Amino acid sequence: GAVVSQHPSRVICKSGTSVKIECRSLDFQATTMFWYRQFPKQSLMLMATSNEGSKATYEQGVEKDKFLINHASLTLSTLTVTSAHPEDSSFYICSARYPGLAGVQEQYFGPGTRLTVT
Amino acid sequence: GNSVTQMEGPVTLSEEAFLTINCTYTATGYPSLFWYVQYPGEGLQLLLKATKADDKGSNKGFEATYRKETTSFHLEKGSVQVSDSAVYFCALTGSSASKIIFGSGTRLSIRP
Repeated sequence: GAVVSQHPSRVICKSGTSVKIECRSLDFQATTMFWYRQFPKQSLMLMATSNEGSKATYEQGVEKDKFLINHASLTLSTLTVTSAHPEDSSFYICSARYPGLAGVQEQYFGPGTRLTVT
Repeated sequence: GNSVTQMEGPVTLSEEAFLTINCTYTATGYPSLFWYVQYPGEGLQLLLKATKADDKGSNKGFEATYRKETTSFHLEKGSVQVSDSAVYFCALTGSSASKIIFGSGTRLSIRP
C-alpha cells in the first residue's frame, strides 16, 4: 500500500512553454501533498504544500505564478511550470501525506519527474 | 528551528562490510525520525522510521535507534550489498508540523 505515482517520468519542453506534472496517491486519500525540487547531488527543497480544496502554501523564494499547483481531488495534485526556462530544468518529486496514526507525520514519495527545458 | 545533520559522503565500502551513516538532529518537542533511500534516477523510498525515544526502526537489514539523549538516529547495516548503493537521507518531522526536514544526503557506493 501507500503508492504515489507521478506522470510523466521524463519531459522535455522548449523554453517559453508550460508543462504539467501529475501526482497521484493510488491507494489512499491524501488531503495534503508536497512538491519538492532536487538539484543534482543535492537534497530535496520543499517548494510548496498542496492542500485539497484550498490554495497551496509556497515556501519562501518560490514563485507562485511560475509554479502553479492545483489539488483538485483527494488523490491528485498537479504542478504546472509556466513559461519554462532552462534554469527550471530539475528533478521534481511529489509526496503525499499518509493518514496514519495521530501524531505520526509520514509521507510517501512519487518516483520523480525529470524536466529538461531546451 | 528543526534541522538534520548527516555525515557527508560519498561513502565507499566493499561488499559485506559494516555500514554506519551518522545522523544527528535538532528539534523541539518529540519529532518523528526517518531514513529515506533514493536509488539512481528514482524518487525517495521510506526505509525505516522511529516515532519515539528508544524506538528502533528496521527494514531490509538496516537499523536505526532513536536516541534522545544524544539526539541521534544513526543508520547501520551489518553486511552491505552492491544493491545497497544509493543516496540515503535522514529526516524528521516535528511534533506539530507536517513538513519533512531532510539532511543533505549521503551517497553510498558498494564495491563487489
